[in-house]
Amino acid sequence: DAKTTQPNSMESNEEEPVHLPCNHSTISGTDYIHWYRQLPSQGPEYVIHGLTSNVNNRMASLAIAEDRKSSTLILHRATLRDAAVYYCILRDPNSGGSNYKLTFGKGTLLTVNP
Amino acid sequence: ETGVTQSPTHLIKTRGQQVTLRCSSQSGHNTVSWYQQALGQGPQFIFQYYREEENGRGNFPPRFSGLQFPNYSSELNVNALELDDSALYLCASSLDSGSSEQYFGPGTRLTVT
Repeated sequence: DAKTTQPNSMESNEEEPVHLPCNHSTISGTDYIHWYRQLPSQGPEYVIHGLTSNVNNRMASLAIAEDRKSSTLILHRATLRDAAVYYCILRDPNSGGSNYKLTFGKGTLLTVNP
Repeated sequence: ETGVTQSPTHLIKTRGQQVTLRCSSQSGHNTVSWYQQALGQGPQFIFQYYREEENGRGNFPPRFSGLQFPNYSSELNVNALELDDSALYLCASSLDSGSSEQYFGPGTRLTVT
């Protein structure tokens, strides 16, 4: 599996935008970039995913670099509820074999200050 | 709320014992995956079941086994418990094995003493 690199922790203020970076220099052409987050005492929660183009949904935006070697998860206005560990995961749904699993790293712990 | 439930919430077992953890997936989801999350780590994939058959397995020994039932429930069984099995066990359901979104339950916290 291609690896991702994320900062261990980041801090933000409430109602400010947050940009969470992820490096994935060995990404293959068919790897999708997924983001999950895990709030305290809960299971992980799907946030967003994309392949090449930037993606938006009600939770966040995903900005993917043109060479796809990095991506950024954008929370437009952080709230206290966004404090969580954010995981950036690469997954190729068509590779066969281990295509079904999510390979989590340690993620980025986001702290949101009131 | 993901609609995925797990039981029990917490469990304490003794080394060498056996344990069964349960998961109820979202209705219509044919696939369930199980993960183990040690303290301070990301979840690690144990195995996946698709339509009641094991569909793939991570780097876990055979004493970790599972079952999936037609009513969207599933079980994770662990035999001969070891101290290192202490972790949060998460199940995740999805429409099929290639789905982009997996819906996680809240987990079962297992402590082995």
